Amino acid sequence: NAGVTQTPKFQVLKTGQSMTLQCAQDMNHNSMYWYRQDPGMGLRLIYYSASEGTTDKGEVPNGYNVSRLNKREFSLRLESAAPSQTSVYFCASSEADAYEQYFGPGTRLTVT
Amino acid sequence: AQSVTQLDSHVSVSEGTPVLLRCNYSSSYSPSLFWYVQHPNKGLQLLLKYTSAATLVKGINGFEAEFKKSETSFHLTKPSAHMSDAAEYFCVVSDGGSGYSTLTFGKGTMLLVSP
Repeated sequence: NAGVTQTPKFQVLKTGQSMTLQCAQDMNHNSMYWYRQDPGMGLRLIYYSASEGTTDKGEVPNGYNVSRLNKREFSLRLESAAPSQTSVYFCASSEADAYEQYFGPGTRLTVT
Repeated sequence: AQSVTQLDSHVSVSEGTPVLLRCNYSSSYSPSLFWYVQHPNKGLQLLLKYTSAATLVKGINGFEAEFKKSETSFHLTKPSAHMSDAAEYFCVVSDGGSGYSTLTFGKGTMLLVSP
Protein backbone atom coordinates (compact mmCIF):
# COMPACT_ATOMS: atom_id res chain seq x y z
CA ASN A 1 0.00 0.00 0.00
CA ALA A 2 1.89 3.07 -1.27
CA GLY A 3 -0.49 5.71 0.18
CA VAL A 4 0.11 9.07 -1.52
CA THR A 5 2.86 9.28 -4.13
CA GLN A 6 4.27 12.37 -5.81
CA THR A 7 6.54 12.87 -8.79
CA PRO A 8 9.07 14.29 -9.25
CA LYS A 9 10.88 14.55 -5.91
CA PHE A 10 13.05 17.45 -7.03
CA GLN A 11 12.80 19.92 -9.92
CA VAL A 12 14.69 23.01 -11.04
CA LEU A 13 12.98 25.35 -13.50
CA LYS A 14 13.93 28.59 -15.18
CA THR A 15 11.57 31.56 -14.90
CA GLY A 16 8.79 31.22 -17.47
CA GLN A 17 9.02 27.46 -17.90
CA SER A 18 6.02 25.25 -17.25
CA MET A 19 5.67 21.93 -15.50
CA THR A 20 3.14 19.57 -13.97
CA LEU A 21 3.45 17.95 -10.55
CA GLN A 22 1.80 14.56 -10.35
CA CYS A 23 0.01 13.05 -7.35
CA ALA A 24 -1.74 9.71 -6.94
CA GLN A 25 -3.37 7.94 -3.99
CA ASP A 26 -4.39 4.31 -3.63
CA MET A 27 -6.64 4.65 -0.56
CA ASN A 28 -9.87 5.22 -2.49
CA HIS A 29 -10.16 8.69 -0.93
CA ASN A 30 -12.69 11.17 -2.26
CA SER A 31 -10.84 14.40 -1.47
CA MET A 32 -7.39 15.55 -2.60
CA TYR A 33 -5.35 18.67 -1.90
CA TRP A 34 -2.27 20.59 -2.98
CA TYR A 35 -0.27 22.64 -0.46
CA ARG A 36 2.91 24.65 -0.54
CA GLN A 37 5.25 24.87 2.43
CA ASP A 38 7.54 27.84 2.95
CA PRO A 39 9.81 28.47 5.96
CA GLY A 40 7.91 29.95 8.91
CA MET A 41 4.58 29.85 7.03
CA GLY A 42 3.24 26.38 7.79
CA LEU A 43 1.32 24.75 4.94
CA ARG A 44 -0.93 26.85 2.73
CA LEU A 45 -3.66 25.35 0.58
CA ILE A 46 -3.34 26.00 -3.15
CA TYR A 47 -6.27 24.00 -4.58
CA TYR A 48 -8.43 21.14 -3.47
CA SER A 49 -10.81 18.64 -4.99
CA ALA A 50 -13.69 17.54 -2.78
CA SER A 51 -14.60 14.73 -5.15
CA GLU A 52 -13.86 13.49 -8.63
CA GLY A 53 -14.87 16.12 -11.16
CA THR A 54 -14.69 19.13 -8.83
CA THR A 55 -11.88 21.52 -7.96
CA ASP A 56 -11.81 24.69 -5.87
CA LYS A 57 -9.32 27.43 -5.01
CA GLY A 58 -7.60 27.48 -1.67
CA GLU A 59 -5.68 30.26 0.05
CA VAL A 60 -2.93 30.81 -2.56
CA PRO A 61 -4.17 29.70 -6.04
CA ASN A 62 -2.60 32.41 -8.21
CA GLY A 63 -0.16 31.04 -10.79
CA TYR A 64 -1.42 27.47 -10.53
CA ASN A 65 -3.97 25.22 -12.20
CA VAL A 66 -5.14 21.75 -11.24
CA SER A 67 -6.77 18.74 -12.84
CA ARG A 68 -8.59 15.92 -11.05
CA LEU A 69 -7.90 13.33 -13.68
CA ASN A 70 -9.83 10.54 -11.94
CA LYS A 71 -10.46 9.48 -8.35
CA ARG A 72 -6.82 8.50 -7.84
CA GLU A 73 -4.93 11.35 -9.51
CA PHE A 74 -4.71 15.09 -8.91
CA SER A 75 -2.12 17.14 -10.80
CA LEU A 76 -0.82 20.68 -10.22
CA ARG A 77 0.40 22.77 -13.15
CA LEU A 78 2.61 25.84 -13.19
CA GLU A 79 2.05 27.52 -16.55
CA SER A 80 4.82 30.13 -16.26
CA ALA A 81 7.05 29.55 -13.25
CA ALA A 82 8.23 32.47 -11.14
CA PRO A 83 10.93 32.59 -8.42
CA SER A 84 8.15 33.21 -5.85
CA GLN A 85 6.95 29.67 -6.57
CA THR A 86 10.14 28.17 -5.18
CA SER A 87 8.78 25.97 -2.42
CA VAL A 88 8.09 22.44 -1.26
CA TYR A 89 4.80 21.14 -2.60
CA PHE A 90 2.74 18.51 -0.81
CA CYS A 91 -0.20 16.53 -2.07
CA ALA A 92 -2.67 15.04 0.42
CA SER A 93 -5.85 13.01 0.41
CA SER A 94 -8.70 12.27 2.81
CA GLU A 95 -11.88 10.22 2.89
CA ALA A 96 -13.92 13.42 2.95
CA ASP A 97 -13.70 16.96 4.18
CA ALA A 98 -12.75 17.48 7.84
CA TYR A 99 -11.24 14.01 8.07
CA GLU A 100 -7.53 13.61 8.70
CA GLN A 101 -5.38 14.02 5.63
CA TYR A 102 -2.59 11.74 4.47
CA PHE A 103 0.41 13.40 2.89
CA GLY A 104 2.83 12.49 0.13
CA PRO A 105 6.60 12.89 0.51
CA GLY A 106 6.70 16.27 -1.25
CA THR A 107 8.28 17.86 -4.33
CA ARG A 108 11.07 20.36 -3.80
CA LEU A 109 10.83 22.96 -6.58
CA THR A 110 13.39 25.67 -7.30
CA VAL A 111 12.71 28.40 -9.85
CA THR A 112 15.74 30.42 -10.93
CA ALA B 1 -13.40 31.60 9.90
CA GLN B 2 -10.89 29.37 11.60
CA SER B 3 -7.33 30.00 12.68
CA VAL B 4 -4.63 28.40 14.79
CA THR B 5 -1.72 29.92 16.70
CA GLN B 6 1.27 27.96 17.82
CA LEU B 7 2.70 29.98 20.65
CA ASP B 8 6.35 28.95 20.28
CA SER B 9 8.36 28.74 17.07
CA HIS B 10 11.10 26.71 18.82
CA VAL B 11 11.11 24.57 21.96
CA SER B 12 14.30 23.05 23.40
CA VAL B 13 14.29 20.17 25.90
CA SER B 14 16.73 17.63 27.23
CA GLU B 15 16.25 13.94 26.56
CA GLY B 16 14.08 12.41 29.27
CA THR B 17 12.33 15.66 30.24
CA PRO B 18 8.68 16.54 29.51
CA VAL B 19 7.55 18.14 26.26
CA LEU B 20 4.88 20.85 25.99
CA LEU B 21 3.96 22.38 22.62
CA ARG B 22 1.26 25.01 22.86
CA CYS B 23 -1.59 25.62 20.45
CA ASN B 24 -4.60 27.94 20.56
CA TYR B 25 -7.37 27.87 17.98
CA SER B 26 -10.26 29.96 16.79
CA SER B 27 -13.32 28.39 15.20
CA SER B 28 -16.92 29.36 14.50
CA TYR B 29 -18.14 25.80 14.87
CA SER B 30 -17.25 22.67 16.79
CA PRO B 31 -13.74 22.07 15.53
CA SER B 32 -11.78 18.98 14.67
CA LEU B 33 -8.17 19.38 15.79
CA PHE B 34 -5.04 17.54 14.74
CA TRP B 35 -1.33 17.44 15.47
CA TYR B 36 1.03 16.46 12.67
CA VAL B 37 4.79 15.85 12.86
CA GLN B 38 7.32 16.44 10.10
CA HIS B 39 10.82 15.01 10.33
CA PRO B 40 13.52 16.69 8.23
CA ASN B 41 12.96 16.34 4.48
CA LYS B 42 9.90 14.14 5.04
CA GLY B 43 6.16 14.44 4.56
CA LEU B 44 3.70 15.06 7.39
CA GLN B 45 2.52 12.25 9.65
CA LEU B 46 -0.62 12.38 11.79
CA LEU B 47 0.18 12.20 15.52
CA LEU B 48 -3.33 12.43 16.93
CA LYS B 49 -6.78 13.90 16.33
CA TYR B 50 -9.70 15.29 18.34
CA THR B 51 -13.18 14.99 16.83
CA SER B 52 -15.60 15.73 19.72
CA ALA B 53 -15.20 12.47 21.58
CA ALA B 54 -12.92 12.26 24.65
CA THR B 55 -11.18 15.56 25.43
CA LEU B 56 -7.88 13.82 26.27
CA VAL B 57 -6.54 12.31 23.09
CA LYS B 58 -3.72 9.79 22.94
CA GLY B 59 -1.55 9.54 19.86
CA ILE B 60 1.42 7.67 18.57
CA ASN B 61 4.88 7.59 20.17
CA GLY B 62 3.59 8.52 23.64
CA PHE B 63 2.16 11.92 22.70
CA GLU B 64 -1.18 13.17 23.94
CA ALA B 65 -3.22 16.38 23.75
CA GLU B 66 -6.10 17.81 25.75
CA PHE B 67 -8.94 19.77 24.17
CA LYS B 68 -9.99 22.66 26.44
CA LYS B 69 -12.93 24.51 24.97
CA SER B 70 -12.98 27.22 27.65
CA GLU B 71 -9.36 28.09 26.87
CA THR B 72 -9.59 27.33 23.10
CA SER B 73 -6.41 25.32 23.50
CA PHE B 74 -5.11 21.97 22.26
CA HIS B 75 -1.62 21.62 23.74
CA LEU B 76 0.58 18.64 22.87
CA THR B 77 2.51 16.87 25.64
CA LYS B 78 4.81 13.93 26.18
CA PRO B 79 6.14 12.84 29.60
CA SER B 80 9.68 12.06 28.47
CA ALA B 81 11.38 13.32 25.31
CA HIS B 82 13.43 11.05 23.09
CA MET B 83 16.07 12.11 20.60
CA SER B 84 13.88 10.78 17.78
CA ASP B 85 11.17 13.32 18.74
CA ALA B 86 13.24 16.14 17.26
CA ALA B 87 11.09 17.42 14.41
CA GLU B 88 8.64 20.16 13.45
CA TYR B 89 5.10 19.90 14.84
CA PHE B 90 1.98 21.44 13.32
CA CYS B 91 -1.31 22.12 15.06
CA VAL B 92 -4.22 22.00 12.62
CA VAL B 93 -7.90 22.97 12.86
CA SER B 94 -10.91 22.10 10.74
CA ASP B 95 -14.18 23.70 11.77
CA GLY B 96 -16.54 21.58 9.70
CA GLY B 97 -18.90 24.50 9.24
CA SER B 98 -21.52 24.89 6.56
CA GLY B 99 -20.34 23.71 3.19
CA TYR B 100 -16.98 22.20 2.56
CA SER B 101 -14.32 22.56 5.24
CA THR B 102 -10.57 22.50 4.86
CA LEU B 103 -7.64 22.31 7.23
CA THR B 104 -5.86 25.40 8.55
CA PHE B 105 -2.28 24.86 9.67
CA GLY B 106 -0.32 26.65 12.34
CA LYS B 107 3.11 27.95 11.44
CA GLY B 108 4.83 25.10 13.23
CA THR B 109 6.96 24.52 16.35
CA MET B 110 10.44 23.11 15.96
CA LEU B 111 11.26 20.72 18.80
CA LEU B 112 14.96 20.41 19.60
CA VAL B 113 16.09 17.56 21.88
CA SER B 114 19.55 17.60 23.42
CA PRO B 115 21.32 14.60 24.97
